[in-house]
Amino acid sequence: ILNVEQSPQSLHVQEGDSTNFTCSFPSSNFYALHWYRWETAKSPEALFVMTLNGDEKKKGRISATLNTKEGYSYLYIKGSQPEDSATYLCAKREAGGGADGLTFGKGTHLIIQP
Amino acid sequence: NAGVTQTPKFQVLKTGQSMTLQCAQDMNHNSMYWYRQDPGMGLRLIYYSASEGTTDKGEVPNGYNVSRLNKREFSLRLESAAPSQTSVYFCASSGHLWGQETQYFGPGTRLLVL
Repeated sequence: ILNVEQSPQSLHVQEGDSTNFTCSFPSSNFYALHWYRWETAKSPEALFVMTLNGDEKKKGRISATLNTKEGYSYLYIKGSQPEDSATYLCAKREAGGGADGLTFGKGTHLIIQP
Repeated sequence: NAGVTQTPKFQVLKTGQSMTLQCAQDMNHNSMYWYRQDPGMGLRLIYYSASEGTTDKGEVPNGYNVSRLNKREFSLRLESAAPSQTSVYFCASSGHLWGQETQYFGPGTRLLVL
């Protein structure tokens, strides 16, 4: 994997159902993996920052896992609600760099249908 | 705290015109960034500034210049706008959240170059 990739690109889920999506990234030179939620007409907001292989983070009904050896992270949403509709971005920060920003995936656009 | 603010929110330019996008943060962060967001693409880093007085190129710097005026402000200048620079521009600064460094984004500037 050369770039940060997210799948699926978009996802329609019925309210109340649980869902998950994937972020894949080059495992080399890994420092941290960020997840952001980006609601329409707003700016991206940080959900999780994960650094250790096997990390699991949870915030309410949303959780994330990290596998740095194979280069992937999963985001899970349990019991989806309409307010979960947003684009979910993941981004990788590489080790050894300074403040040189994040490499973002293209996002998974999640639509929760009532 | 206003967080990260950007002006203007929306701008229309003609090809060849120049303009400066302003960004300010009140969180006392050292690092600041400019990204552009295009349909079907992830956020791409244009320039960043690790500290007052320093700037570095990101992934897509051509056609842009930046100034880190002081710790609070980081401006992005288009000297001669081109239609390819039609995009949504996000400024960000980085600070610590949950013990990890993450980025805080401004609301974006939507730029249309005719």
